[in-house]
Amino acid sequence: DAKTTQPNSMESNEEEPVHLPCNHSTISGTDYIHWYRQLPSQGPEYVIHGLTSNVNNRMASLAIAEDRKSSTLILHRATLRDAAVYYCIPSFSNNDMRFGAGTRLTVKP
Amino acid sequence: NAGVTQTPKFQVLKTGQSMTLQCAQDMNHEYMSWYRQDPGMGLRLIHYSVGAGITDQGEVPNGYNVSRSTTEDFPLRLLSAAPSQTSVYFCASSLGSRRGTIYFGEGSWLTVV
Repeated sequence: DAKTTQPNSMESNEEEPVHLPCNHSTISGTDYIHWYRQLPSQGPEYVIHGLTSNVNNRMASLAIAEDRKSSTLILHRATLRDAAVYYCIPSFSNNDMRFGAGTRLTVKP
Repeated sequence: NAGVTQTPKFQVLKTGQSMTLQCAQDMNHEYMSWYRQDPGMGLRLIHYSVGAGITDQGEVPNGYNVSRSTTEDFPLRLLSAAPSQTSVYFCASSLGSRRGTIYFGEGSWLTVV
């Protein structure tokens, strides 16, 4: 399993961009990079995933380093609703998903 | 849209009791799984199933049983509850083990005293 390193916590101001980093230096060539988030007292929800190229969707963007040893989740304009724990998960299959401690994002009004 | 439905939401058990956490999904997903989340920690995989009649162990299977008799349902059984099983339990489903977003239920808060 690829080992990931994420900051324990980050803060952001509302309506500003947020860059959430993740190091996954032992990622294998077939692992996708998944990001999920968990709002307080809820189950995790999907944010975005990618393999090699940068990805965009309505929630966020995912920037993947050329060597795939790190990635960054970008929230373009943080809202109070984005306050959550964000998990970066390199994985080939869903039964290999390892949710670590993640990064707790606090959004200040 | 129901998605993944878990029952009960809250439960208190005495040590040694058994119980079943129910999970149902209405998305015709082949893959289902159970996680536990201890306070301040990430999720850990207990058991998973890639289809009806097929189950396998995850990271922390001891003390839990599962079965998958239908595509829709994936119950988790605690055989003899212990205080160490006090946790929040999440059921999840996806199209397949290697495809599709994972959808999670809202969680079941279990306390064993």
